[in-house]
Amino acid sequence: SAVISQKPSRDICQRGTSLTIQCQVDSQVTMMFWYRQQPGQSLTLIATANQGSEATYESGFVIDKFPISRPNLTFSTLTVSNMSPEDSSIYLCSVDFNGVTDTQYFGPGTRLTVL
Amino acid sequence: GIQVEQSPPDLILQEGANSTLRCNFSDSVNNLQWFHQNPWGQLINLFYIPSGTKQNGRLSATTVATERYSLLYISSSQTTDSGVYFCAVLFSGNTPLVFGKGTRLSVIA
Repeated sequence: SAVISQKPSRDICQRGTSLTIQCQVDSQVTMMFWYRQQPGQSLTLIATANQGSEATYESGFVIDKFPISRPNLTFSTLTVSNMSPEDSSIYLCSVDFNGVTDTQYFGPGTRLTVL
Repeated sequence: GIQVEQSPPDLILQEGANSTLRCNFSDSVNNLQWFHQNPWGQLINLFYIPSGTKQNGRLSATTVATERYSLLYISSSQTTDSGVYFCAVLFSGNTPLVFGKGTRLSVIA
């Protein structure tokens, strides 16, 4: 495995604003994923981010609300747009280092509170 | 549809006790992972175990793919074992990783 970092680790934001979360990996990976974990709940996949192509979004998530960038094989960003208190969650990025085993490793998460 | 069910949803243990957590899944799998989410929210990989048995210290896991379940064993539990344990499954057919709802474990001294 390698080191996965996220910025910011936590933030408190006002409704109507946007926040961009960064995910950095210290080695090149093909597959990067963004998850949301609402308070007391399990993890839900938002989208899969592949370098050089548009992100693939899961049902219930749209690009206008959660735009994603993947400019290279070590970095991705997730933006939470026009936030409301319902967006208060932990947002986690994960990577699949080895396409053969499909084993995913997670970053430390970004804890977002929207007032 | 594809499902991942974990039991029990909550578990309280006295320090030193043993426990078994269960994960049932609804279809054939390419991958199954167990994670521990600590109180700070960090997800820690415990096992990659689509089949068979693995052990790592006080933790071990067994997946019986033909019967569509996996078990996570925690022996001689410690307060630092507290947190939420998630089972996550990659079903055959290139679907995304599907998480169960987790088992919330509290180990008390």
